[in-house]
Amino acid sequence: GQQVMQIPQYQHVQEGEDFTTYCNSSTTLSNIQWYKQRPGGHPVFLIQLVKSGEVKKQKRLTFQFGEAKKNSSLHITATQTTDVGTYFCVGISDRGSTLGRLYFGRGTQLTVWP
Amino acid sequence: EAQVTQNPRYLITVTGKKLTVTCSQNMNHEYMSWYRQDPGLGLRQIYYSMNVEVTDKGDVPEGYKVSRKEKRNFPLILESPSPNQTSLYFCASSFRQPFQETQYFGPGTRLLVL
Repeated sequence: GQQVMQIPQYQHVQEGEDFTTYCNSSTTLSNIQWYKQRPGGHPVFLIQLVKSGEVKKQKRLTFQFGEAKKNSSLHITATQTTDVGTYFCVGISDRGSTLGRLYFGRGTQLTVWP
Repeated sequence: EAQVTQNPRYLITVTGKKLTVTCSQNMNHEYMSWYRQDPGLGLRQIYYSMNVEVTDKGDVPEGYKVSRKEKRNFPLILESPSPNQTSLYFCASSFRQPFQETQYFGPGTRLLVL
């Protein structure tokens, strides 16, 4: 069945280095959302991408939605210790029988060394 | 303050002892959902509700029940808990189905079933 694969599962970087996590869906998505979960916390919405090829930026974070609407990425430039946490994507199906169904990536756990 | 609340936040119980985890939102959201989060597996949807008196199974509904008698409340019921239901549980809500809407997550309930 449809699923969203997210890689890598873990990423350890030194403060100031860049970080990227990727989500890939087996089928076309209607839209994709990204969330951040701090250690011991709850998921918090970051952004939603809807259009093919869309790119959105939030300060040091850049989000992309692929042209085929089957993949997405989150890139953080010059990581800071405040970026620590798990980042996960949620793909939303656009197929008739599963319209609106949510597909969660398993998340990338980011550790930043000072 | 707009929020999703869950109670209790922590719970230790024994196998077979019925329990209820409450979830309440004050944002007049139509859509509510329950997730469980386990290491390495990410978030998995248990049940969701599109509106009052409308509930549907998610990916892992076995062993759980829900009800939606009022718009603001969406309790999760474990009739006969088992150790494999030890997990971190999140309730979430959004204004409508999360096609275009962000989900707001509660703080989480950590459950241990002995």
